[in-house]
Amino acid sequence: DAGITQSPRHKVTETGTPVTLRCHQTENHRYMYWYRQDPGHGLRLIHYSYGVKDTDKGEVSDGYSVSRSKTEDFLLTLESATSSQTSVYFCAIRSDRVAYNEQFFGPGTRLTVL
Amino acid sequence: ILNVEQSPQSLHVQEGDSTNFTCSFPSSNFYALHWYRWETAKSPEALFVMTLNGDEKKKGRISATLNTKEGYSYLYIKGSQPEDSATYLCAFPSTGNQFYFGTGTSLTVIP
Repeated sequence: DAGITQSPRHKVTETGTPVTLRCHQTENHRYMYWYRQDPGHGLRLIHYSYGVKDTDKGEVSDGYSVSRSKTEDFLLTLESATSSQTSVYFCAIRSDRVAYNEQFFGPGTRLTVL
Repeated sequence: ILNVEQSPQSLHVQEGDSTNFTCSFPSSNFYALHWYRWETAKSPEALFVMTLNGDEKKKGRISATLNTKEGYSYLYIKGSQPEDSATYLCAFPSTGNQFYFGTGTSLTVIP
């Protein structure tokens, strides 16, 4: 158990509203990631962070922003949600203590944009 | 963006059958290859980390092999059981700290 929680676990919102998803970890891992899961696409990287205030874009970053003001929290924000952002969002950490740095995933957040 | 491909996309087998599926990845700049098991309504769980050409890893009835020169890894399940039903993902970490996931192989084991 890598001590990763995500909140909320489920959210329904309307097009055009801002949404923030939170990922929280308890073990001070440096690397944190946000993925979205869609049928036929597997997991696609949205953004990742390699330290406090250090973030970078992934494959599908358009329409998303992130912030990491402290080690334990990585926030994903949809500034103005669209129906195409309906998805399941997974946060992951990359353990610095495990050889070859496998990732450990949070439980996921199911977001529906109406 | 790196291309990581998995085949087949889905597979239905009878309980007791053995099965295997493939992950192909870029053979240049190889660092590691990860296999994950992903059950419906849960989050992916790490199965294996493969690092050396010729690596073979085993966990119970599940094993994996690695060929870095030709850029592929095989996952084998011997004597499939209904509890093996899941999506099996491979992931290729790049030197830039990103992981590129395949689209997965969805396995259904029919009792």
